[in-house]
Amino acid sequence: AQSVTQPDIHITVSEGASLELRCNYSYGATPYLFWYVQSPGQGLQLLLKYFSGDTLVQGIKGFEAEFKRSQSSFNLRKPSVHWSDAAEYFCAVFTGGGNKLTFGTGTQLKVEL
Amino acid sequence: KAGVTQTPRYLIKTRGQQVTLSCSPISGHRSVSWYQQTPGQGLQFLFEYFSETQRNKGNFPGRFSGRQFSNSRSEMNVSTLELGDSALYLCASSRDTSDTGELFFGEGSRLTVL
Repeated sequence: AQSVTQPDIHITVSEGASLELRCNYSYGATPYLFWYVQSPGQGLQLLLKYFSGDTLVQGIKGFEAEFKRSQSSFNLRKPSVHWSDAAEYFCAVFTGGGNKLTFGTGTQLKVEL
Repeated sequence: KAGVTQTPRYLIKTRGQQVTLSCSPISGHRSVSWYQQTPGQGLQFLFEYFSETQRNKGNFPGRFSGRQFSNSRSEMNVSTLELGDSALYLCASSRDTSDTGELFFGEGSRLTVL
């Protein structure tokens, strides 16, 4: 069965610093990959997605992610974090069979001013 | 385009009661999925409906059920509530042109069971 690992439960960065959130997946083939963000008390918002093609994908709010097949990873990056980026970030995989996603456990991002 | 709308946003029930949550998908979306989010278990898939048919079901007891109407609106029901059912219930809809897993989420219904 497919699984998603987000090894960092909490990350704290200073405003203006760069950010990288890690995501590793386990699946026999290349899945479709997603990053979602959740602000407190809110639903999930799609940041970016990878289906195929260029392994570096751009998303909203200045985020990007790079798919690395050899490492089964899909890490999320942002060059300069803003205080409003503080939220919880979820990596997810889709492996077919209806619109069902498998989510990682999330990484809580705190931004220090 | 209006987003996914979930009602009610907040509700409090007592053990043994039942609850019905409603979800209106984005116009034109025919797939509706439900997820339970708790601090301990994270985001867990409940079920997915497409054109009024349950297409996928997660690993939840039979107390959790759902349905979808001809206008794609969906409801989920939890009977005989337990304390552990306290959670944020998220609904998501998806375009019906292809199954890609790209979901658009509502803001959720936060259920507290006392």
